[in-house]
Amino acid sequence: NAGVTQTPKFQVLKTGQSMTLQCAQDMNHNSMYWYRQDPGMGLRLIYYSASEGTTDKGEVPNGYNVSRLNKREFSLRLESAAPSQTSVYFCASSGRDRVSGANVLTFGAGSRLTVL
Amino acid sequence: AQKVTQAQTEISVVEKEDVTLDCVYETRDTTYYLFWYKQPPSGELVFLIRRNSFDEQNEISGRYSWNFQKSTSSFNFTITASQVVDSAVYFCALSVPDSGSARQLTFGSGTQLTVLP
Repeated sequence: NAGVTQTPKFQVLKTGQSMTLQCAQDMNHNSMYWYRQDPGMGLRLIYYSASEGTTDKGEVPNGYNVSRLNKREFSLRLESAAPSQTSVYFCASSGRDRVSGANVLTFGAGSRLTVL
Repeated sequence: AQKVTQAQTEISVVEKEDVTLDCVYETRDTTYYLFWYKQPPSGELVFLIRRNSFDEQNEISGRYSWNFQKSTSSFNFTITASQVVDSAVYFCALSVPDSGSARQLTFGSGTQLTVLP
């Protein structure tokens, strides 16, 4: 009953370092997303993947790259981290909610990234 | 472009009080979906409700109720007899269908609800 799993939960980087946030879903959903959450700004879409093999930019893609490795996995990479990328990152996939049956986004638990 | 406004940044109430969280949205699409998500202190985002633009019926689920009014582009959320466990950040969100079948959500900035014992 995992849903959307993202790793790591916490990470501290120095400016210029690179890292990859991993995300996997076990709900057989086609679409997956990466959002970032900053205080007072809600969640903003970084990139999304409508289906395996496709990726598209969202509202705030600069400084990030993504890979849709297969239907289950969608990773987010920071090639050269900057302090402005300090945020909480959420991965999500869209499909039928297990409880309500409505077609909704199901989110991972979040990854808190600090760039010094 | 879509926009969601949650004008209330923070609300504090005393337990058992009723509280309404406001949400105003903007979109030019005639077909759209509205959502509410809850983010408790643990940080995860929990889906609460989805409404589509053709269904203006109000909905009640236990202590939660939602009032959708297209005339004012609002989708307000009321918690009746609030409890301490209702303390969380609540997000209103909007999505419109697109050709890629990807459901992108536009979020409001969230309302921090604190229920005091």
